[in-house]
Amino acid sequence: QSALTQPRSVSGSPGQSVTISCTGTSSDVGAYNYVSWYQQHPGKVPTLMIYDVNKRPSGVPDRFSGSKSGNTASLTISGLQAEDEADYYCSSYAGSHTLGVFGTGTKVTVL
Amino acid sequence: EVQLVQSGAEVRKPGESLKISCKGSGYDFITNWIAWVRQMPGKGLEWMGMIYPRDSDTRYSPSFQGQVTISADKSISTAYLQWSRLKASDTAIYYCARSLSTVTQDYWGQGTLVTVSS
Repeated sequence: QSALTQPRSVSGSPGQSVTISCTGTSSDVGAYNYVSWYQQHPGKVPTLMIYDVNKRPSGVPDRFSGSKSGNTASLTISGLQAEDEADYYCSSYAGSHTLGVFGTGTKVTVL
Repeated sequence: EVQLVQSGAEVRKPGESLKISCKGSGYDFITNWIAWVRQMPGKGLEWMGMIYPRDSDTRYSPSFQGQVTISADKSISTAYLQWSRLKASDTAIYYCARSLSTVTQDYWGQGTLVTVSS
């Protein structure tokens, strides 16, 4: 099972919006509405930002939103803030044999 | 407060065995899956497998099947990840995490750094 494909990096100025794509296949992202997104600051533990494609855990700012179309899921950060600079990973359910697969990771830079 | 506390950093030689732990508190440990995730130095996250402590039902990613063993002792709210013969390529940070579903990990341990070097 290959990792889901994410852009290596995206950047934006404070206040702008950025969108991170997560491309899988019809066996994972396209097959199930079980996509999660994690934020990881350098040297820190990953934090759940979005689950089940577009649900936000309590405490996650509503600047973070998720969506999916076909085999591609997306995370949008609106009103970019300095503290959003981090690595972001998507994750998708891939069936009862493979179970879970992470994306390759995207570094978000706030200019 | 939900907490997952992992055992400390380990240094081992290739071929040695190792078992690291993850102790949960602040919630009903036996009714939530615990997942293990690997992060090699400077690399991304990799899903290894998960265990349901109530009955020790265990699932492995195909990439890790046969390479590691996941277990749990529900009497002490602790999950384990073990290797019988470590390789240098096992050098990584290993995270445990409470799982609401296969790919929804809402609380994470602090990570255990495993270094395998001769």
